[in-house]
Amino acid sequence: NAGVMQNPRHLVRRRGQEARLRCSPVKGHSHVYWYRQLPEEGLKFMVYLQKENIIDESGMPKERFSAEFPKEGPSILRIQQVVRGDSAAYFCASSPSTVTGAYGYTFGSGTRLTVV
Amino acid sequence: AQRVTQPEKLLSVFKGAPVELKCNYSYSGSPELFWYVQYSRQRLQLLLRHISRESIKGFTADLNKGETSFHLKKPFAQEEDSAMYYCALSGAYFYNTDKLIFGTGTRLQVFP
Repeated sequence: NAGVMQNPRHLVRRRGQEARLRCSPVKGHSHVYWYRQLPEEGLKFMVYLQKENIIDESGMPKERFSAEFPKEGPSILRIQQVVRGDSAAYFCASSPSTVTGAYGYTFGSGTRLTVV
Repeated sequence: AQRVTQPEKLLSVFKGAPVELKCNYSYSGSPELFWYVQYSRQRLQLLLRHISRESIKGFTADLNKGETSFHLKKPFAQEEDSAMYYCALSGAYFYNTDKLIFGTGTRLQVFP
């Protein structure tokens, strides 16, 4: 059981480029959550997905950010036209479908995005 | 508004001293409260949750609804307790989502 795998661990992008962050959940987990941690702040919820469905995206910025969790493959958090303010650590967590998510979260190690 | 407040950014103690990491919350309902821990170079992991009323690694936390607090306590700190601690709440019971609201975290340093 490899746990939640996030890649890349570190990502550097120039302003205006696109950033794609990947999250492979624990095998058998069908719920994925993305969180963002800005410097000196706590983790902030962004989006909650189940396979092929966005369940709650109340924490996603209205523009430039999108997320998907396809039937096959990892969940992707995509940030278009990045700006310096997007620099943060992005964490993914997964939980099995049969367990209330907050009890069964497994976190990944995060992707640290730096926009230069 | 839903909010979790951890007033201390850094807490430094000597080995063997008691530890209390403070957490206060604001939530219009009955939340579920959690403590997560992140050791150096490791991923965030669940330490304990209020509903299970358990003691993990000597840590306990009691939910005080009157004071809206969920402070984390340990009577005798160990050097290996040095880590970042996050308090979090979930409104999963009332909402069809299990998202967590995190505090800003407290770094615990335990000196030998």
